[in-house]
Amino acid sequence: GQQLNQSPQSMFIQEGEDVSMNCTSSSIFNTWLWYKQDPGEGPVLLIALYKAGELTSNGRLTAQFGITRKDSFLNISASIPSDVGIYFCAGRIRETSGSRLTFGEGTQLTVNP
Amino acid sequence: KAGVTQTPRYLIKTRGQQVTLSCSPISGHRSVSWYQQTPGQGLQFLFEYFSETQRNKGNFPGRFSGRQFSNSRSEMNVSTLELGDSALYLCASSYLAGGSTDTQYFGPGTRLTVL
Repeated sequence: GQQLNQSPQSMFIQEGEDVSMNCTSSSIFNTWLWYKQDPGEGPVLLIALYKAGELTSNGRLTAQFGITRKDSFLNISASIPSDVGIYFCAGRIRETSGSRLTFGEGTQLTVNP
Repeated sequence: KAGVTQTPRYLIKTRGQQVTLSCSPISGHRSVSWYQQTPGQGLQFLFEYFSETQRNKGNFPGRFSGRQFSNSRSEMNVSTLELGDSALYLCASSYLAGGSTDTQYFGPGTRLTVL
């Protein structure tokens, strides 16, 4: 089945530092999504990418859809304590019968004030 | 616009029982998907419903079932609960099932504990 490899698994950084995480796959996806999940809550959509090569920003967050359609990265600039949480990438293949998301394993981000 | 709502937020059941979880999608959204999240397996796709029809199904046993109503609200049912069914069950809604710019928005989840 489809697999998404997300790295790193965890990051411990100081407030103000920049963060980068990425996802790679052996399969081609036609949509990449990045979500953030806080404990006990559902994932919250951060950025959606729909075209290969697309670079999209949302405030301090920037994400790119890889040219090969098999990878994506997320950057967070000037991290702040509220950035703490688990970040997930998700890929979607458009299927004639609908769609499903395949998720990475998540990146646990800790920001030290 | 209200987000995806799920009820109940927490459930405790014993092995062998059955459980029904409910999901109300964002107003106007017609597709509802369900996911199971566990520490060991991460987020796994269960199934997707669109216009009251199951459009897609993940690799879960037949004990897991669902349905969608004409108002797009969805329920999922797990029969003969096992300890391994303990998980956070997430519902996600989208406007279309698989449109080119379709995006899934998640609810807060139902935390199911099986004792």
